[in-house]
Amino acid sequence: DTAVSQTPKYLVTQMGNDKSIKCEQNLGHDTMYWYKQDSKKFLKIMFSYNNKELIINETVPNRFSPKSPDKAHLNLHINSLELGDSAVYFCASSQARTSATDTQYFGPGTRLTVL
Amino acid sequence: AQSVAQPEDQVNVAEGNPLTVKCTYSVSGNPYLFWYVQYPNRGLQFLLKYITGDNLVKGSYGFEAEFNKSQTSFHLKKPSALVSDSALYFCAVRLHTGGFKTIFGAGTRLFVKA
Repeated sequence: DTAVSQTPKYLVTQMGNDKSIKCEQNLGHDTMYWYKQDSKKFLKIMFSYNNKELIINETVPNRFSPKSPDKAHLNLHINSLELGDSAVYFCASSQARTSATDTQYFGPGTRLTVL
Repeated sequence: AQSVAQPEDQVNVAEGNPLTVKCTYSVSGNPYLFWYVQYPNRGLQFLLKYITGDNLVKGSYGFEAEFNKSQTSFHLKKPSALVSDSALYFCAVRLHTGGFKTIFGAGTRLFVKA
């Protein structure tokens, strides 16, 4: 059973398009995250949700909008895609936001290429 | 500013030799420190973490890490490297505030040569 899953695995699209990436976790965790990993492998937090509530919103363009329909899902919608959005996007989850000691479990990543 | 530094972009080691991947941190308060590993085209996997207690933490796949408060370091170690250990390793610190945000180091690529 996949603990944290993302779809699609690869996404190739043109500049200006709108696209979504979906994430689901079956671990019963309360907290979910989106990270962006750039071409140099640098990993940076974008958003975090706890039980459908936004708790971390880093300096991310407002073209990026996370949506959490329930605590097992956190989707990422990106409007007006730009070349600089090309990266690997990772979803992750952890048990509870109130514990700084929680381990995060990562999905396999979605490689987004904007042409 | 709170940060994590991995001073080496790449570490090369021969199979069977001990390995060390370095990490230093700068945070206010007691640090919660983690090591994750990323294999090619995969997500990050948890290796080990330091929360409190014994400075030597043991984790998955024979890895361990030593917390050194005076040197603000949390180096990852393994007594005998395997070719299959070749991967990208991330040190991370989880903050106590701001939604318990995790800050990752830039990553260190480990190459283990047969």
